[in-house]
Amino acid sequence: SQKIEQNSEALNIQEGKTATLTCNYTNYSPAYLQWYRQDPGRGPVFLLLIRENEKEKRKERLKVTFDTTLKQSLFHITASQPADSATYLCALDYSSNTGKLIFGQGTTLQVKP
Amino acid sequence: DAGVTQSPTHLIKTRGQQVTLRCSPISGHKSVSWYQQVLGQGPQFIFQYYEKEERGRGNFPDRFSARQFPNYSSELNVNALLLGDSALYLCASSRRTQDTEAFFGQGTRLTVV
Repeated sequence: SQKIEQNSEALNIQEGKTATLTCNYTNYSPAYLQWYRQDPGRGPVFLLLIRENEKEKRKERLKVTFDTTLKQSLFHITASQPADSATYLCALDYSSNTGKLIFGQGTTLQVKP
Repeated sequence: DAGVTQSPTHLIKTRGQQVTLRCSPISGHKSVSWYQQVLGQGPQFIFQYYEKEERGRGNFPDRFSARQFPNYSSELNVNALLLGDSALYLCASSRRTQDTEAFFGQGTRLTVV
Protein backbone atom coordinates (compact mmCIF):
# COMPACT_ATOMS: atom_id res chain seq x y z
CA SER A 1 0.00 0.00 0.00
CA GLN A 2 1.04 3.57 -0.52
CA LYS A 3 2.92 5.25 2.31
CA ILE A 4 3.86 8.86 2.87
CA GLU A 5 6.69 10.14 5.02
CA GLN A 6 7.09 13.67 6.24
CA ASN A 7 9.76 14.90 8.60
CA SER A 8 8.24 14.33 12.02
CA GLU A 9 10.64 16.73 13.68
CA ALA A 10 9.44 20.30 13.99
CA LEU A 11 11.07 22.85 11.73
CA ASN A 12 12.13 26.07 13.43
CA ILE A 13 13.20 28.99 11.28
CA GLN A 14 13.68 32.72 11.57
CA GLU A 15 11.18 35.16 10.13
CA GLY A 16 12.03 36.14 6.58
CA LYS A 17 13.78 32.89 5.75
CA THR A 18 12.55 30.20 3.38
CA ALA A 19 10.99 27.11 4.93
CA THR A 20 11.33 23.85 3.01
CA LEU A 21 9.24 20.82 3.93
CA THR A 22 9.69 17.36 2.44
CA CYS A 23 7.18 14.67 1.50
CA ASN A 24 8.38 11.26 0.33
CA TYR A 25 6.15 8.47 -0.87
CA THR A 26 6.61 4.81 -1.75
CA ASN A 27 5.23 2.55 -4.43
CA TYR A 28 3.44 4.02 -7.41
CA SER A 29 3.51 7.69 -8.32
CA PRO A 30 0.17 9.38 -7.80
CA ALA A 31 -1.59 11.38 -10.47
CA TYR A 32 -1.54 14.36 -8.14
CA LEU A 33 -0.37 15.43 -4.74
CA GLN A 34 -1.78 18.02 -2.36
CA TRP A 35 -0.55 20.15 0.51
CA TYR A 36 -2.71 21.30 3.41
CA ARG A 37 -2.19 23.55 6.41
CA GLN A 38 -3.63 22.62 9.79
CA ASP A 39 -3.82 24.81 12.87
CA PRO A 40 -4.31 23.24 16.34
CA GLY A 41 -7.86 22.01 16.87
CA ARG A 42 -8.94 22.93 13.34
CA GLY A 43 -9.55 21.03 10.13
CA PRO A 44 -6.91 21.05 7.36
CA VAL A 45 -7.04 23.87 4.83
CA PHE A 46 -6.16 23.21 1.19
CA LEU A 47 -3.12 25.06 -0.14
CA LEU A 48 -1.93 23.61 -3.44
CA LEU A 49 -2.49 20.68 -5.79
CA ILE A 50 0.21 19.61 -8.21
CA ARG A 51 -0.25 17.04 -10.97
CA GLU A 52 2.27 14.46 -12.13
CA ASN A 53 2.97 16.34 -15.36
CA GLU A 54 3.73 19.55 -13.46
CA LYS A 55 7.22 19.98 -12.09
CA GLU A 56 6.48 23.08 -10.08
CA LYS A 57 3.53 25.16 -8.95
CA ARG A 58 3.41 28.54 -7.22
CA LYS A 59 0.83 30.47 -5.26
CA GLU A 60 1.92 33.78 -3.74
CA ARG A 61 4.76 32.90 -1.30
CA LEU A 62 4.20 29.15 -1.69
CA LYS A 63 5.98 26.84 -4.12
CA VAL A 64 5.56 23.09 -4.56
CA THR A 65 7.71 20.75 -6.62
CA PHE A 66 6.88 17.20 -7.66
CA ASP A 67 9.67 14.80 -8.64
CA THR A 68 8.21 11.48 -9.73
CA THR A 69 11.68 9.98 -10.18
CA LEU A 70 12.70 10.69 -6.61
CA LYS A 71 9.10 10.10 -5.41
CA GLN A 72 9.28 13.34 -3.54
CA SER A 73 7.50 16.65 -3.19
CA LEU A 74 9.04 19.76 -1.68
CA PHE A 75 6.97 22.56 -0.20
CA HIS A 76 8.55 25.99 0.14
CA ILE A 77 7.36 29.08 1.97
CA THR A 78 9.41 32.13 1.07
CA ALA A 79 9.73 35.23 3.27
CA SER A 80 8.20 33.25 6.13
CA GLN A 81 6.15 35.01 8.79
CA PRO A 82 5.15 33.98 12.34
CA ALA A 83 1.59 33.59 10.97
CA ASP A 84 2.89 30.72 8.82
CA SER A 85 3.47 28.67 11.99
CA ALA A 86 1.27 25.57 11.68
CA THR A 87 1.39 21.89 10.76
CA TYR A 88 1.69 21.18 7.05
CA LEU A 89 0.28 17.95 5.64
CA CYS A 90 1.11 16.22 2.39
CA ALA A 91 -1.67 14.09 0.84
CA LEU A 92 -2.05 11.89 -2.21
CA ASP A 93 -4.56 9.51 -3.70
CA TYR A 94 -4.83 6.17 -1.91
CA SER A 95 -4.84 4.30 -5.18
CA SER A 96 -4.95 5.50 -8.71
CA ASN A 97 -7.53 8.21 -9.10
CA THR A 98 -9.98 7.13 -6.44
CA GLY A 99 -10.00 10.40 -4.56
CA LYS A 100 -9.34 8.61 -1.27
CA LEU A 101 -6.60 10.70 0.22
CA ILE A 102 -3.87 9.36 2.46
CA PHE A 103 -1.97 11.87 4.53
CA GLY A 104 1.49 12.09 5.94
CA GLN A 105 1.84 12.69 9.65
CA GLY A 106 2.59 16.35 9.04
CA THR A 107 5.51 18.62 9.78
CA THR A 108 5.13 21.40 12.33
CA LEU A 109 6.66 24.69 11.28
CA GLN A 110 7.54 27.34 13.85
CA VAL A 111 8.56 30.75 12.52
CA LYS A 112 10.25 32.91 15.12
CA PRO A 113 10.14 36.72 14.91
CA ASP B 1 -21.12 30.76 1.42
CA ALA B 2 -21.06 28.51 4.43
CA GLY B 3 -18.19 26.08 4.66
CA VAL B 4 -18.39 22.47 5.76
CA THR B 5 -20.21 22.26 9.06
CA GLN B 6 -19.93 19.43 11.54
CA SER B 7 -21.87 18.70 14.69
CA PRO B 8 -21.37 18.37 17.52
CA THR B 9 -17.98 20.02 18.02
CA HIS B 10 -17.17 18.03 21.13
CA LEU B 11 -18.54 14.80 22.51
CA ILE B 12 -17.79 12.58 25.49
CA LYS B 13 -19.00 8.97 25.39
CA THR B 14 -18.54 5.89 27.52
CA ARG B 15 -17.00 2.67 26.25
CA GLY B 16 -19.56 0.46 24.56
CA GLN B 17 -21.85 3.32 23.60
CA GLN B 18 -22.78 4.37 20.09
CA VAL B 19 -22.22 7.79 18.52
CA THR B 20 -23.50 9.63 15.44
CA LEU B 21 -21.57 12.50 13.91
CA ARG B 22 -23.08 14.82 11.32
CA CYS B 23 -21.70 16.76 8.38
CA SER B 24 -23.17 19.32 5.98
CA PRO B 25 -21.07 19.83 2.85
CA ILE B 26 -20.54 23.03 0.93
CA SER B 27 -23.50 23.81 -1.30
CA GLY B 28 -23.04 22.13 -4.66
CA HIS B 29 -20.55 19.56 -3.40
CA LYS B 30 -21.72 16.00 -3.94
CA SER B 31 -18.78 14.14 -2.45
CA VAL B 32 -18.29 13.72 1.29
CA SER B 33 -15.41 11.92 2.96
CA TRP B 34 -14.76 11.09 6.58
CA TYR B 35 -11.37 10.98 8.29
CA GLN B 36 -10.12 10.09 11.75
CA GLN B 37 -7.21 12.05 13.15
CA VAL B 38 -5.41 10.88 16.25
CA LEU B 39 -3.26 13.43 18.05
CA GLY B 40 0.10 13.85 16.37
CA GLN B 41 -0.89 11.95 13.24
CA GLY B 42 -2.30 12.89 9.86
CA PRO B 43 -5.95 12.25 9.03
CA GLN B 44 -6.79 8.63 8.17
CA PHE B 45 -9.41 7.90 5.53
CA ILE B 46 -12.60 6.17 6.73
CA PHE B 47 -15.29 6.56 4.04
CA GLN B 48 -16.09 8.39 0.84
CA TYR B 49 -19.62 8.95 -0.44
CA TYR B 50 -20.69 10.39 -3.76
CA GLU B 51 -24.28 10.83 -4.88
CA LYS B 52 -25.42 8.82 -1.85
CA GLU B 53 -23.31 5.80 -2.75
CA GLU B 54 -20.27 4.53 -0.90
CA ARG B 55 -17.26 4.96 -3.17
CA GLY B 56 -14.52 3.91 -0.83
CA ARG B 57 -13.78 2.54 2.58
CA GLY B 58 -10.59 2.67 4.59
CA ASN B 59 -9.14 0.09 6.93
CA PHE B 60 -11.66 0.46 9.74
CA PRO B 61 -13.77 -2.21 11.47
CA ASP B 62 -17.45 -2.79 10.74
CA ARG B 63 -18.30 -0.81 13.87
CA PHE B 64 -17.87 2.22 11.64
CA SER B 65 -20.64 2.98 9.17
CA ALA B 66 -21.85 6.01 7.28
CA ARG B 67 -24.48 7.21 4.89
CA GLN B 68 -25.23 10.18 2.68
CA PHE B 69 -28.65 11.76 2.35
CA PRO B 70 -30.41 13.21 -0.73
CA ASN B 71 -29.29 16.71 0.29
CA TYR B 72 -25.67 15.36 0.33
CA SER B 73 -25.29 15.73 4.08
CA SER B 74 -23.76 12.75 5.80
CA GLU B 75 -23.63 10.87 9.08
CA LEU B 76 -20.86 8.75 10.54
CA ASN B 77 -21.88 6.12 13.09
CA VAL B 78 -19.57 4.29 15.42
CA ASN B 79 -20.89 1.41 17.51
CA ALA B 80 -19.43 -0.28 20.58
CA LEU B 81 -17.01 2.55 21.25
CA LEU B 82 -13.49 1.75 22.38
CA LEU B 83 -11.02 4.01 24.15
CA GLY B 84 -8.95 3.97 20.96
CA ASP B 85 -11.77 5.64 19.03
CA SER B 86 -10.98 8.89 20.82
CA ALA B 87 -9.91 11.25 18.05
CA LEU B 88 -10.82 14.25 15.92
CA TYR B 89 -13.29 13.17 13.25
CA LEU B 90 -13.12 15.27 10.13
CA CYS B 91 -15.57 15.60 7.30
CA ALA B 92 -14.45 16.88 3.91
CA SER B 93 -16.54 17.83 0.90
CA SER B 94 -15.49 18.26 -2.70
CA ARG B 95 -17.06 18.89 -6.08
CA ARG B 96 -16.10 15.51 -7.41
CA THR B 97 -14.44 12.38 -6.12
CA GLN B 98 -10.91 12.88 -7.40
CA ASP B 99 -8.31 15.32 -8.64
CA THR B 100 -9.76 18.17 -6.66
CA GLU B 101 -9.23 20.02 -3.42
CA ALA B 102 -11.04 18.87 -0.31
CA PHE B 103 -12.71 21.34 2.04
CA PHE B 104 -12.63 20.22 5.65
CA GLY B 105 -14.94 21.04 8.51
CA GLN B 106 -13.66 21.99 11.94
CA GLY B 107 -14.09 18.43 13.13
CA THR B 108 -15.80 16.67 16.01
CA ARG B 109 -13.59 15.92 18.99
CA LEU B 110 -14.73 12.56 20.37
CA THR B 111 -13.50 11.43 23.76
CA VAL B 112 -14.29 7.89 24.92
CA VAL B 113 -13.93 7.29 28.65
